[in-house]
Amino acid sequence: DTAVSQTPKYLVTQMGNDKSIKCEQNLGHDTMYWYKQDSKKFLKIMFSYNNKELIINETVPNRFSPKSPDKAHLNLHINSLELGDSAVYFCASSQDHTETKTEAFFGQGTRLTVV
Amino acid sequence: GQNIDQPTEMTATEGAIVQINCTYQTSGFNGLFWYQQHAGEAPTFLSYNVLDGLEEKGRFSSFLSRSKGYSYLLLKELQMKDSASYLCAAMDSNYQLIWGAGTKLIIKP
Repeated sequence: DTAVSQTPKYLVTQMGNDKSIKCEQNLGHDTMYWYKQDSKKFLKIMFSYNNKELIINETVPNRFSPKSPDKAHLNLHINSLELGDSAVYFCASSQDHTETKTEAFFGQGTRLTVV
Repeated sequence: GQNIDQPTEMTATEGAIVQINCTYQTSGFNGLFWYQQHAGEAPTFLSYNVLDGLEEKGRFSSFLSRSKGYSYLLLKELQMKDSASYLCAAMDSNYQLIWGAGTKLIIKP
């Protein structure tokens, strides 16, 4: 059973389109995250979310928005896609983001290519 | 600002030992993580240090010096499957992980 699953694995789309990436975790974790890994391999936190609060990285454009229908899902919506949005997006989850030794479990990533 | 530094790439020989260093500067500190990431795959957890000293886990060990803002990952008896990127991440006072760009480790026969 996949612990953190995200779909699609690959996404190619044109500039200006709106797209969504879905993420589900079956670990019973309280906190979910979205990360962006660019061509230089830096992992940058975009959002962390649990049932209490949404923490947004202030550098993330407001074209990006997380939607959480329930504790096990955190989807990423992107409006008006731009070329610079091309990257690999990772969903992750952890038991509690305020617990220090809480390792994150990552999904397999979604490679987004904007053309 | 917050910053993580680690070498971009290292090369080692199968069966040998390699040490990957990481220095960090964060607002507060709640621990240091090491993750392994194979090309095209998700990062997977390797180790966590919050106290000074060495944590050993099989062929992999991780060391932390809080006063120096320094950690290293030690890999022994290298195998070809250890070829991957190794990501260092420090947790700040807000429990946010600050990630390094990763060290690409190339293992040669």
